[in-house]
Amino acid sequence: KQEVTQIPAALSVPEGENLVLNCSFTDSAIYNLQWFRQDPGKGLTSLLLIQSSQREQTSGRLNASLDKSSGRSTLYIAASQPGDSATYLCAVRDGGYQKVTFGTGTKLQVIP
Amino acid sequence: NAGVTQTPKFRVLKTGQSMTLLCAQDMNHEYMYWYRQDPGMGLRLIHYSVGEGTTAKGEVPDGYNVSRLKKQNFLLGLESAAPSQTSVYFCASHPLEVLFYEQYFGPGTRLTVT
Repeated sequence: KQEVTQIPAALSVPEGENLVLNCSFTDSAIYNLQWFRQDPGKGLTSLLLIQSSQREQTSGRLNASLDKSSGRSTLYIAASQPGDSATYLCAVRDGGYQKVTFGTGTKLQVIP
Repeated sequence: NAGVTQTPKFRVLKTGQSMTLLCAQDMNHEYMYWYRQDPGMGLRLIHYSVGEGTTAKGEVPDGYNVSRLKKQNFLLGLESAAPSQTSVYFCASHPLEVLFYEQYFGPGTRLTVT
């Protein structure tokens, strides 16, 4: 059974700092991995989707990397801003089209 | 496009009452999902559908039923609500080519069962 872990559960950084969020998974036979952002009381917004054959994806100040063999993905946020404060979730798709396993998220606070 | 919408946004039920949550998407997606999100547990799949007229059980289906009579709508029903079903419910959808497309989520329905 796939297990997805995100550590730390919460992170507080000063504005302008570069930071890395971690996601680890136990079964490396994945189709893809997706990073989401969730604001309090809101739904999930997709940030980046990495296919199993890819090593990284970039969107603006965000860069996500994937190392299947070690079961790890990182989300790099450059020059953090208070507006980046949210919970970040990773989700791994494996074992069939319906099987997506979510991590419990990292709650990020960027302090002005 | 409105994307994925959910109705209602909030609801309070008493134990034993029934209700239906509606998810609608206007992106012509084949796949639709219902998840629940509970503190410290991440999102868990309740039921899903791979197309109009089809449904299947997910990880935590007990106490819920679903229907997909129209491609754009996916309904989640609670026949006899229990306090353990207090949660935030999210609907998601994506196209048939699952390997290359991201999931799109609705804004959620916050349900409290007293």
